[in-house]
Amino acid sequence: GEDVEQSLFLSVREGDSSVINCTYTDSSSTYLYWYKQEPGAGLQLLTYIFSNMDMKQDQRLTVLLNKKDKHLSLRIADTQTGDSAIYFCAVASNTGNQFYFGTGTSLTVIP
Amino acid sequence: SQTIHQWPATLVQPVGSPLSLECTVEGTSNPNLYWYRQAAGRGLQLLFYSVGIGQISSEVPQNLSASRPQDRQFILSSKKLLLSDSGFYLCAWTGTGTGETEAFFGQGTRLTVV
Repeated sequence: GEDVEQSLFLSVREGDSSVINCTYTDSSSTYLYWYKQEPGAGLQLLTYIFSNMDMKQDQRLTVLLNKKDKHLSLRIADTQTGDSAIYFCAVASNTGNQFYFGTGTSLTVIP
Repeated sequence: SQTIHQWPATLVQPVGSPLSLECTVEGTSNPNLYWYRQAAGRGLQLLFYSVGIGQISSEVPQNLSASRPQDRQFILSSKKLLLSDSGFYLCAWTGTGTGETEAFFGQGTRLTVV
């Protein structure tokens, strides 16, 4: 199966930008996702990017995809305390039947 | 609209007892269904996925099994729980139509094996 890796922890000060990184192994992955998990809850889709795109921006969120390096990042501008959560990178297999998730990055926003 | 129900929300079970977690999806047909486990301090691990009734694929060998008796019902089971089965279990579904790209998650079941 696919290997998806993320760093486990990130701390930033309120108002700064956060950048969460993810690497994956299957170059045939077609869709790549960022999910947010708040404490004790399920996952909510934040944004996704199709593999033929390099960048996608959605309000405070910017997703960058480097297909050559198999690297995906999520940038959160003007990070707020409400952004504190675990962020999961996920990739869909080329058949679309399987989603593979990273370990999740726990983002702590310091007031 | 589509919804996914997962229950129970929390469960405390003794070692050696059986387990049955249920997940149902509404508002869609023939979804792909998934069971994930999130162990403490770790990421999501895909346990099982199903592309149709009675069709189960297992990603990792373990003490658990899954069944899909109906199109929109996915059940995670164990005959005898181990301490290592503790974790947060998430059910998810994806559509199978063109352009359906998102995975939708249930609220999860917190299982503590004691």
